Amino acid sequence: AQKVTQAQTEISVVEKEDVTLDCVYETRDTTYYLFWYKQPPSGELVFLIRRNSFDEQNEISGRYSWNFQKSTSSFNFTITASQVVDSAVYFCALTQGGSEKLVFGKGMKLTVNP
Amino acid sequence: KAGVTQTPRYLIKTRGQQVTLSCSPISGHRSVSWYQQTPGQGLQFLFEYFSETQRNKGNFPGRFSGRQFSNSRSEMNVSTLELGDSALYLCASSFRGAGEAYNEQFFGPGTRLTVL
Repeated sequence: AQKVTQAQTEISVVEKEDVTLDCVYETRDTTYYLFWYKQPPSGELVFLIRRNSFDEQNEISGRYSWNFQKSTSSFNFTITASQVVDSAVYFCALTQGGSEKLVFGKGMKLTVNP
Repeated sequence: KAGVTQTPRYLIKTRGQQVTLSCSPISGHRSVSWYQQTPGQGLQFLFEYFSETQRNKGNFPGRFSGRQFSNSRSEMNVSTLELGDSALYLCASSFRGAGEAYNEQFFGPGTRLTVL
């Protein structure tokens, strides 16, 4: 069975602090995809990144960076120099190759205070 | 392109009633998935449709059903509503070409259902 664990449920930081959101996953599949989604108060899930199981390269997109390590089954997300607009609930998710079914973690609520 | 649209955005029903939620995918997208989000259970997969066929189903009772039309629009229905069905119901669409392993899913704003 597939499982995604986000151990942190809520984090509060002050603007400009760096923050890392942890994600640990479990799957028996050799082909799978990992995702991060952002859910602002409006409720719509916003896609941030996708990684497939064969691509362990880390990625940076502006203030966002992702660290994928198959050895520890982790796919962590770092926001550098956080801003108030980053306040949202962040979800890590997993799907196996060929399936649209996303298995989500419980989410982590990030509050960035001015 | 317009995003995924869901109607209605808010709905209040009473126990025992039934409800139908609608989802219009992004133009050209053929795959539609539904998710239920509650504070206790988080985001859970309901079902996935592709070309009018249900491809995958989550672990929900038979009171939850869905369908997809030839224009890729989808509806989900919940019969005999229970208090625990109160949730945000999210729809996602993706362009699923032949032989492709995965495509990004784009989510709609959701329908917030309250069961009294």
